[in-house]
Amino acid sequence: DGGITQSPKYLFRKEGQNVTLSCEQNLNHDAMYWYRQDPGQGLRLIYYSQIVNDFQKGDIAEGYSVSREKKESFPLTVTSAQKNPTAFYLCASQLATGGDYGYTFGSGTRLTVV
Amino acid sequence: AQSVAQPEDQVNVAEGNPLTVKCTYSVSGNPYLFWYVQYPNRGLQFLLKYITGDNLVKGSYGFEAEFNKSQTSFHLKKPSALVSDSALYFCAVRRTDSWGKLQFGAGTQVVVTP
Repeated sequence: DGGITQSPKYLFRKEGQNVTLSCEQNLNHDAMYWYRQDPGQGLRLIYYSQIVNDFQKGDIAEGYSVSREKKESFPLTVTSAQKNPTAFYLCASQLATGGDYGYTFGSGTRLTVV
Repeated sequence: AQSVAQPEDQVNVAEGNPLTVKCTYSVSGNPYLFWYVQYPNRGLQFLLKYITGDNLVKGSYGFEAEFNKSQTSFHLKKPSALVSDSALYFCAVRRTDSWGKLQFGAGTQVVVTP
């Protein structure tokens, strides 16, 4: 079955560490997105990518980095520069950026700083 | 600019009663409108979308939504709520003449009591 897979489901980070969250899709979707979700704040866009080898900053990109070397994969690195990384991270994909397509979401990764 | 407002942080309803979750939007031009549902520690699931045509849109799990252009609203409804409908609901919008990014509302927590 086609879908979008995020791993790991839970991740613990020590102060000063970089961690990478995986997002893989086998839907042949062009666009991919990373969102951060905090209680009471809805979804905030971190980075997005319309096509391979291209990505753009979203509203809260500071302290995060991404790559899009393959169409299927859009990993997110949470760097030590992100001062408050504890949150629920959601990856989404979209068939194409034109048209009336919505998003398909992964199941999320919960990151906790210990 | 485009924005979405969900004026209620939480909606409480008894099982079997009608459920309404409100959404208003602000977008220049014509909108594409979406509703998603999120269960605890899960990603968002697509419920329905409005693209054009009939103002009443039917979606998954017995939900429907009414598009009202004059009031710039897209309220989600269900005639008879179930306890299993308890979840977080998000409204999202994008302009029809812009590429794919969706703007999400802050979310409305629905609590259905037996």
